[in-house]
Amino acid sequence: SAVISQKPSRDICQRGTSLTIQCQVDSQVTMMFWYRQQPGQSLTLIATANQGSEATYESGFVIDKFPISRPNLTFSTLTVSNMSPEDSSIYLCSVTGLETQYFGPGTRLLVL
Amino acid sequence: DQQVKQNSPSLSVQEGRISILNCDYTNSMFDYFLWYKKYPAEGPTFLISISSIKDKNEDGRFTVFLNKSAKHLSLHIVPSQPGDSAVYFCAASGGSYDKVIFGPGTSLSVIP
Repeated sequence: SAVISQKPSRDICQRGTSLTIQCQVDSQVTMMFWYRQQPGQSLTLIATANQGSEATYESGFVIDKFPISRPNLTFSTLTVSNMSPEDSSIYLCSVTGLETQYFGPGTRLLVL
Repeated sequence: DQQVKQNSPSLSVQEGRISILNCDYTNSMFDYFLWYKKYPAEGPTFLISISSIKDKNEDGRFTVFLNKSAKHLSLHIVPSQPGDSAVYFCAASGGSYDKVIFGPGTSLSVIP
């Protein structure tokens, strides 16, 4: 199994600002995923982050709004840019294993 | 278009009885299926998975059944315990190390 940590665990931000969320994994992994869970909703995949290449974004998500870095095989960041109250969500980092996927504890973001 | 469906948003079960959570999917290319449990302030916790080549997988109190012809799977929890009260997500993937698509979740309440 993989142990995943995220920073910050929660934050309250003002609209128009940006927040960078960090994800650290205790082992080297090729693919990392970023998900969002809006209040009362399911988990929605934002993008897939591969080391050494640009992230692949899902429909409805764009790099300008959610830039991602993947500098090495154990670390990734997701930035939520120019935030609005609609960005208030839990943001989760994830990595795959054999026929499973492990999740970090999430970053709870509230945008005022 | 929702590829993974959980048509029951909530379920209440008496302690000691069986909990049955249902899930339907539309994409016949999904290769394996997963169940996650999630508490409000935490990331999803992996419970059990099943490959598309199997029809049953069991792990302790948790059993997952897969009916490929009906594109349906179910999670059975026996016996149900109050600590099982959480939101349960059904998820599906096209293969190991591929992205995972989540259903909307079912909130399970186990009544003492």
